[in-house]
Amino acid sequence: SQQGEEDPQALSIQEGENATMNCSYKTSINNLQWYRQNSGRGLVHLILIRSNEREKHSGRLRVTLDTSKKSSSLLITASRAADTASYFCATYAGGTSYGKLTFGQGTILTVHP
Amino acid sequence: GAGVSQSPRYKVTKRGQDVALRCDPISGHVSLYWYRQALGQGPEFLTYFNYEAQQDKSGLPNDRFSAERPEGSISTLTIQRTEQRDSAMYRCASSPWEETQYFGPGTRLLVL
Repeated sequence: SQQGEEDPQALSIQEGENATMNCSYKTSINNLQWYRQNSGRGLVHLILIRSNEREKHSGRLRVTLDTSKKSSSLLITASRAADTASYFCATYAGGTSYGKLTFGQGTILTVHP
Repeated sequence: GAGVSQSPRYKVTKRGQDVALRCDPISGHVSLYWYRQALGQGPEFLTYFNYEAQQDKSGLPNDRFSAERPEGSISTLTIQRTEQRDSAMYRCASSPWEETQYFGPGTRLLVL
């Protein structure tokens, strides 16, 4: 079963604009990860944020985590047409769920040139 | 270096046939995972291994599904007596230990 819900389900923006995607989850986590899936390709790991972190940056990506609200957001700044993809959040609970990632349903991002 | 590879990339089979999907993880990665992804959905966990030991198979939908990793490297996911509802993308991932998982391109299975 899917742990998270992502919002919006689809997002369409112009090149150069920022894109924000949100993810909510239900149970306690050890860390939360974001993945990108291009059409016809595999999942690519983007960034991991641990439960004791609130914000993390990697290039044009900024991730926030609010464990009290069980939510995370992914911000892509100065978007490019090549950022067009589906973006998934995935939670890692640890403990008895050792090894298992639980994915959300994803946000489809379209960046128009 | 080489990433995770999966074969075949596409598999079309008739209902009732058995299929075997192969995953070749990144060399040296301890952990190997199988997921299934329906169209428009995120991947759903099936099972995972540390070395050759199957640590968790709670996501396998029923006893027609099985997986092995006999030498702690290559893994095979087998689906017996396939059904149309088994049609999906099957994804394999590996990691040096837990946490960040590196995914292969997937095997798209179509059961007619």
